[in-house]
Amino acid sequence: DAGVIQSPRHEVTEMGQEVTLRCKPISGHNSLFWYRQTMMRGLELLIYFNNNVPIDDSGMPEDRFSAKMPNASFSTLKIQPSEPRDSAVYFCASSSPGTYYNEQFFGPGTRLTVL
Amino acid sequence: GNSVTQMEGPVTLSEEAFLTINCTYTATGYPSLFWYVQYPGEGLQLLLKATKADDKGSNKGFEATYRKETTSFHLEKGSVQVSDSAVYFCALSERGGAQKLVFGQGTRLTINP
Repeated sequence: DAGVIQSPRHEVTEMGQEVTLRCKPISGHNSLFWYRQTMMRGLELLIYFNNNVPIDDSGMPEDRFSAKMPNASFSTLKIQPSEPRDSAVYFCASSSPGTYYNEQFFGPGTRLTVL
Repeated sequence: GNSVTQMEGPVTLSEEAFLTINCTYTATGYPSLFWYVQYPGEGLQLLLKATKADDKGSNKGFEATYRKETTSFHLEKGSVQVSDSAVYFCALSERGGAQKLVFGQGTRLTINP
């Protein structure tokens, strides 16, 4: 079985550009999570979806960030316009409704560098 | 609100040493507890879990016991290897709740040969 798939694995862009990160969760999983990891702030939950519906976006830093889940097999995290302080590793994770203890499966991450 | 506090790192040990990484939590309700591991350049992987008091989670020689009376879930391994070098995260989830995981800040472990 394929795990959580993220693309691209690395992204380098210039300040002011739009960045789109993509995630394909594990088939059959109904919850999807976006995290950001930095040295300063550690691992932060940005937003999560249940059954394609955003449930909690309180971790989204500001209006420049937006996330969508148009169907059960795809999600995007968009930053527009990007800023150097957005440089981080962004992880997507998914979980299955069958596990009541809510184990999450993480993708390999996208390393974003904004110059 | 819910929170997890981990022992500050980095931690550096010699191969075959005994490892303890402390983790305490604050939670409403009765959470499930986890240890995740992140190897260099990779995402987090579940290492072990415990879902009720006095449960012991174990995997790859690592163990942690859910202690409700001390609200702790310390990670231990009797003899570490160089391949255990990674960042370790303690986390909790409210059972049946919002499915969010609350992570500690992570502890970087380096094992020297």
